[in-house]
Amino acid sequence: QKEVEQDPGPLSVPEGAIVSLNCTYSNSAFQYFMWYRQYSRKGPELLMYTYSSGNKEDGRFTAQVDKSSKYISLFIRDSQPSDSATYLCAMFGGSYIPTFGRGTSLIVHP
Amino acid sequence: GAVVSQHPSRVICKSGTSVKIECRSLDFQATTMFWYRQFPKQSLMLMATSNEGSKATYEQGVEKDKFLINHASLTLSTLTVTSAHPEDSSFYICSARDAGPGGNTGELFFGEGSRLTVL
Repeated sequence: QKEVEQDPGPLSVPEGAIVSLNCTYSNSAFQYFMWYRQYSRKGPELLMYTYSSGNKEDGRFTAQVDKSSKYISLFIRDSQPSDSATYLCAMFGGSYIPTFGRGTSLIVHP
Repeated sequence: GAVVSQHPSRVICKSGTSVKIECRSLDFQATTMFWYRQFPKQSLMLMATSNEGSKATYEQGVEKDKFLINHASLTLSTLTVTSAHPEDSSFYICSARDAGPGGNTGELFFGEGSRLTVL
C-alpha cells in the first residue's frame, strides 16, 4: 500500500460544476498538507497549504483535512475549462520531505 | 506565490555530454531544495534533497555520481547530469522551501521544469 493514494482519473465535469478531489494516506505522522495544480509540461503550482484539521478557503478553492480519517480533499467551485489540469496532493511530517500522490487529471468541458 | 526560476526549460544534447540545470529562488531564501524527475502521466519521483552548504541526500536508486547536485547558496541549486544517455531523457523539476517564518515547514514552490532530451 502506498503512503498516499490518489485516484488518477480522469475526472470529467461540465463547466460550473463543483469538483471534489481526494487523497487518503496511511502515515499518521503526516501533519502538513498541500495541493498543487500542474498543467502539461509545466511545474506544479501551489494552491493550498494546510496544517490543521478542518477547512481552509481561498477564492474558489477549499481544502479540507480530516486527520482522524487520514483523508484530505480539495473542492473547486464554479469550475472553469482553465481548471483542466492534474491536481497533486502532497504531505509531510517530521522528516519535512513531502510525499506526493500520483495526481488526478481533471477535465472541465464547456 | 513565490517564484522559483528553473533554467533551461528545454535542452537537447548528444549522448555522453553533461548538462547543467539551475534552480533559483527569486524572492525568498531556500535552505532546502528538492530535485524531482517526472515521467509522462506519472507523479513526481524524488531524486535528492539538497541543503545549502552540505552534501545532497540522494534517494535509493539514484546515482549520485551521475546526478551531481550543488546547493552553494540560499537561492541557487544546480543539477548536473553527467555523461547523459538517452535513458536520462526526462522532465526534471526543482522545488524550493521558503525558509522564512515556517522554517522546515515552510511552503514549497516549484520551478517550471526542464525537459532533457538526449540523442
